[in-house]
Amino acid sequence: ETGVTQTPRHLVMGMTNKKSLKCEQHLGHNAMYWYKQSAKKPLELMFVYNFKEQTENNSVPSRFSPECPNSSHLFLHLHTLQPEDSALYLCASSQDNRGRTDTQYFGPGTRLTVL
Amino acid sequence: AQTVTQSQPEMSVQEAETVTLSCTYDTSESDYYLFWYKQPPSRQMILVIRQEAYKQQNATENRFSVNFQKAAKSFSLKISDSQLGDAAMYFCAYRRDYSGTYKYIFGTGTRLKVLA
Repeated sequence: ETGVTQTPRHLVMGMTNKKSLKCEQHLGHNAMYWYKQSAKKPLELMFVYNFKEQTENNSVPSRFSPECPNSSHLFLHLHTLQPEDSALYLCASSQDNRGRTDTQYFGPGTRLTVL
Repeated sequence: AQTVTQSQPEMSVQEAETVTLSCTYDTSESDYYLFWYKQPPSRQMILVIRQEAYKQQNATENRFSVNFQKAAKSFSLKISDSQLGDAAMYFCAYRRDYSGTYKYIFGTGTRLKVLA
């Protein structure tokens, strides 16, 4: 596979469930990102990892827990979510979040519905 | 705070015609990057074009070009010879330096419809 992949593509969960979103990049990048995309709103940056180190937590509620075991994989662990958390969750990667020419490449997203 | 504004929620263009999508941004920085991303109905966000603020020359990628007006803080995307496959959401993004790392700020997007 090439580029940035995300699984699952669709997820429906109850408010008491625990689930995880997975992102994998095959581009040799060192930075990975989680975004939340809601209708008619700008993409909201959630977390940034650069060389496996979390460099950004954009005031995200603790019911979202990221994990970056290596530069190629990024997870988003979900626990006791709210219906307003329903959205498209996009993963992105880039060469180096501190690099001057850094450019992000996105995965297809996971459509999350919280019942 | 930096903001990115796309004032056109939706645009339509006839196939083979030219369309321009607008984007304005607010910043006090002098060195930054600007991007246009395309998100087709399949949802994978694709980089269309990138502009470095310190370069006066407008970026071009095949049928896609930008009109970068740094003083006016304007960054419009022109699509020439529009094709049905150009139908998508287009997002303008600004990348700024934030304490040694970069933050990407996106607009709300413009939905482009291409009419056959």
